[in-house]
Amino acid sequence: QKEVEQDPGPLSVPEGAIVSLNCTYSNSAFQYFMWYRQYSRKGPELLMYTYSSGNKEDGRFTAQVDKSSKYISLFIRDSQPSDSATYLCAMSGTQGGSEKLVFGKGTKLTVNP
Amino acid sequence: GAVVSQHPSRVICKSGTSVKIECRSLDFQATTMFWYRQFPKQSLMLMATSNEGSKATYEQGVEKDKFLINHASLTLSTLTVTSAHPEDSSFYICSASSDYGYTFGSGTRLTVV
Repeated sequence: QKEVEQDPGPLSVPEGAIVSLNCTYSNSAFQYFMWYRQYSRKGPELLMYTYSSGNKEDGRFTAQVDKSSKYISLFIRDSQPSDSATYLCAMSGTQGGSEKLVFGKGTKLTVNP
Repeated sequence: GAVVSQHPSRVICKSGTSVKIECRSLDFQATTMFWYRQFPKQSLMLMATSNEGSKATYEQGVEKDKFLINHASLTLSTLTVTSAHPEDSSFYICSASSDYGYTFGSGTRLTVV
């Protein structure tokens, strides 16, 4: 089983739709959970950063973490064409004394005007 | 916020030559920098972790003699791809850990012809 699982999509939605992106993980050492947005041929851009279980909201974006189920989500409300990008979940923690950061494969999202 | 500057953004080189990629943390000190490689439609794969003033830690399967990493100062880490071959063509991205979380460079598209 991979440490982080993310459906690569692609996901195509109409403008204004609510988008739900998800990742599951297996390593209990992960303590920090992140969502990155990556436009084509660019470096990933941090969208959300959470530490504990629960919800965190920032504008149209809501990150949700359920540590008991090892499941994280990113919701995008009122999606816009400019949200079209690849979204990667990432998780980090300390294991064996060293820092570890693992990414999901990324979900390619297209928001159609 | 933290900014990581990565250069060059794009490079084409002949097979057998070496290419150096630089990453600089512009407004913070990065004691640890991470180097990733990303193939098309794949997630970011960690290649190595570099700590200022010490040898880099390479992930399994990454040739340390081929991918030379130098982290001589708290603001600069370099990745040198030695004797590059077409299969080394990829997108290389650096990242640094700071109080703002993980900040990524804009990436380097390496094409070996």
